[in-house]
Amino acid sequence: KQEVTQIPAALSVPEGENLVLNCSFTDSAIYNLQWFRQDPGKGLTSLLLIQSSQREQTSGRLNASLDKSSGRSTLYIAASQPGDSATYLCAVRNLYSGYALNFGKGTSLLVTP
Amino acid sequence: GAGVSQSPRYKVTKRGQDVALRCDPISGHVSLYWYRQALGQGPEFLTYFNYEAQQDKSGLPNDRFSAERPEGSISTLTIQRTEQRDSAMYRCASSLSAKRGPTNEKLFFGSGTQLSVL
Repeated sequence: KQEVTQIPAALSVPEGENLVLNCSFTDSAIYNLQWFRQDPGKGLTSLLLIQSSQREQTSGRLNASLDKSSGRSTLYIAASQPGDSATYLCAVRNLYSGYALNFGKGTSLLVTP
Repeated sequence: GAGVSQSPRYKVTKRGQDVALRCDPISGHVSLYWYRQALGQGPEFLTYFNYEAQQDKSGLPNDRFSAERPEGSISTLTIQRTEQRDSAMYRCASSLSAKRGPTNEKLFFGSGTQLSVL
């Protein structure tokens, strides 16, 4: 069974810092990996999707990398802002059981002014 | 609609009662998913629909849980004889295509229904 782990569980940084969130998974036979943002009272928002053949994806201040062989992904947030405060979830879609996304528990990020 | 809509937003029920949770996906989206998220955990897959066909129900925890999507649009997740351990956020998601197997499509999630069983 695919296990997805996210480190750290919580993170507090001052505004303007660059930061890295980590995600690891146990089964490297994945189809893709997604990073989501979760805000209280709202749904999950897909931030970046990396296909298994890709190494990274970028959107604005966000950059996600994927090392499938080692079972790792990182989400890099540049020049953090208070509006970035949220829970960030990593989710893996397996190659052979395609319908389910396997989520980590998330990293709760607080960016202080 | 503009996004995935779920109702009710909050549901408080007594143990032993049945509940029905509704999901209205984005118009035209043929794939629909149900997930359950406990406090402090990531969402956990429950079931998947391709149009009206329930193609994967491997995540439903037991036979008290069922789901339907009779006309390939709105879906209902029903929990019979609710128990306190059923308390969680129930999330619905949809995506555009009905490609069989894995897809690189992004999922669009609703705000969820927070279920509390007393």
